[in-house]
Amino acid sequence: QKEVEQDPGPLSVPEGAIVSLNCTYSNSAFQYFMWYRQYSRKGPELLMYTYSSGNKEDGRFTAQVDKSSKYISLFIRDSQPSDSATYLCAMSPPGSARQLTFGSGTQLTVLP
Amino acid sequence: DADVTQTPRNRITKTGKRIMLECSQTKGHDRMYWYRQDPGLGLRLIYYSFDVKDINKGEISDGYSVSRQAQAKFSLSLESAIPNQTALYFCATSEPGGVKETQYFGPGTRLLVL
Repeated sequence: QKEVEQDPGPLSVPEGAIVSLNCTYSNSAFQYFMWYRQYSRKGPELLMYTYSSGNKEDGRFTAQVDKSSKYISLFIRDSQPSDSATYLCAMSPPGSARQLTFGSGTQLTVLP
Repeated sequence: DADVTQTPRNRITKTGKRIMLECSQTKGHDRMYWYRQDPGLGLRLIYYSFDVKDINKGEISDGYSVSRQAQAKFSLSLESAIPNQTALYFCATSEPGGVKETQYFGPGTRLLVL
């Protein structure tokens, strides 16, 4: 079993929809949680990070962590065609922010 | 100019050949990483380096070697390439920052081993 599971999609939504992307994990030591966005033929770029449980909001994006369920989510409000990309969750234990374990990524397409 | 560059961007090679992938960065970061990305498996860490004299194996180092020639340069070598090393390879850099430590990725090298 992988340490981090992520539904690969693909996921297609109409413009303006609310998108929910999710990851589950098995390692209870994970404390740092990140979401990366990867456009086609580009390297991943950090979108959001959170530490431990709770919510974090940044514009149209909200990251949510539920450590009791070992479940993290990324919500995108008012989705735009420019949000079309692959979204990767990543996580690490405390003191090891550099050693990330990645999910396999969810491919999202926002249709105009 | 991009902060993290990788050369070549695409490479086709044959089984048994030795190849080198190169990474350069202008971000001034001490920490550098090599990952490979495969469909359905996400990004997996091959090697990482925290400074010029520090090299560490990652999750999947077998069949690979690295060289940290300078703070700004980190090369990945496949001594004898095999088809299951066909993948997308990414270099990344970071600077210590605790919770806020961010890894910055290059554009990737697409490698095909025939």
